[in-house]
Amino acid sequence: ETGVTQSPTHLIKTRGQQVTLRCSSQSGHNTVSWYQQALGQGPQFIFQYYREEENGRGNFPPRFSGLQFPNYSSELNVNALELDDSALYLCASSLDTGQEAFFGQGTRLTVV
Amino acid sequence: AQSVTQLGSHVSVSEGALVLLRCNYSSSVPPYLFWYVQYPNQGLQLLLKYTTGATLVKGINGFEAEFKKSETSFHLTKPSAHMSDAAEYFCAVTRGAAGNKLTFGGGTRVLVKP
Repeated sequence: ETGVTQSPTHLIKTRGQQVTLRCSSQSGHNTVSWYQQALGQGPQFIFQYYREEENGRGNFPPRFSGLQFPNYSSELNVNALELDDSALYLCASSLDTGQEAFFGQGTRLTVV
Repeated sequence: AQSVTQLGSHVSVSEGALVLLRCNYSSSVPPYLFWYVQYPNQGLQLLLKYTTGATLVKGINGFEAEFKKSETSFHLTKPSAHMSDAAEYFCAVTRGAAGNKLTFGGGTRVLVKP
């Protein structure tokens, strides 16, 4: 069984640019959640997608947006990057909105 | 709104000694509580969870935690630390659902001394 995979593992962007992060959910999982983990802090919930629809959002500005595809993989898009967006971005998938979340390895984003 | 406070951002223990990581939560509804472990450059792995029922929960790698509603606590313990326990540990809470839309604490980094 393939677990949650995220790509890329690392990337560096310049302030003001846009970035897209990708997540392949575990087989059979229809729910994907995204988290931002700044250095030295706990992860913070960005948003969740359930069957291609947004199903809850944390306290993040609209320049953080997402998408879920029919195969339940997901993208996180961040526009107008700021230095404070530098963080580890974690994706988690689950069988349903009420089931345990399984985390990927994360994407380390550095904004310079 | 929910929140989680982990007391102590760093804990140092000797190999073979007790590991105790403290977690207090705030929730307006009955919480579901979790402990995750994060090894360097990796994602989060679930150690254990409390949803309903027995308040003493056993997890992987010899860890356990006890839900105390009166103290709004969910402290994590392991009787005897192993070198492989060196990692960062996160306590998390969610409302109702068993593992979604988690609110995390700030984490506690555990150092194990030989």
